[in-house]
Amino acid sequence: SAVISQKPSRDICQRGTSLTIQCQVDSQVTMMFWYRQQPGQSLTLIATANQGSEATYESGFVIDKFPISRPNLTFSTLTVSNMSPEDSSIYLCSVSLGLPQETQYFGPGTRLLVL
Amino acid sequence: EDKVVQSPLSLVVHEGDTVTLNCSYEVTNFRSLLWYKQEKKAPTFLFMLTSSGIEKKSGRLSSILDKKELFSILNITATQTGDSAIYLCATGTASKLTFGTGTRLQVTL
Repeated sequence: SAVISQKPSRDICQRGTSLTIQCQVDSQVTMMFWYRQQPGQSLTLIATANQGSEATYESGFVIDKFPISRPNLTFSTLTVSNMSPEDSSIYLCSVSLGLPQETQYFGPGTRLLVL
Repeated sequence: EDKVVQSPLSLVVHEGDTVTLNCSYEVTNFRSLLWYKQEKKAPTFLFMLTSSGIEKKSGRLSSILDKKELFSILNITATQTGDSAIYLCATGTASKLTFGTGTRLQVTL
């Protein structure tokens, strides 16, 4: 597995503001993913963060709302823009270490509350 | 649309009991089924299954996949309070995981 860290671990934000969440991995990985888990819900994939190219977004998620950066093979950021209370969730990054490709390992998560 | 359904939604058992958690799926381009345990925020990986009928075991936990009937079960024997968590199953394709809603397990003394 890999050691994955996320910052911040939690935050309380005002509506209309933006928050950038960082995800750092202790080894180079090809694929990094960002998920959202709304209260009482399961994990929903927001996007796949691709190194050197734009992120690939899932249906219902757009770059203007959730811009993602992936400057190298060990780091990615997710920004939650123009937040509303509906964005209150746990945000998780995960990585795939290669083989098997489907196995993903998760960071500790960021708990976000928007007032 | 890919669908992963888990049952029961929640379960309360006494320490020492055996539990069976269920996961059924309808997924295109299925490659694997994964189980995760989520205690606080981060899901931790338990098993990945790709072949029907082959049981995977780790201590008191075991899991098996039926690709004909499109389901998997996760068994936990001799449950302990530390097994209390949400158990998530997910189907894997080449590009993504699709998660079920999870089963919340509470183990009481």
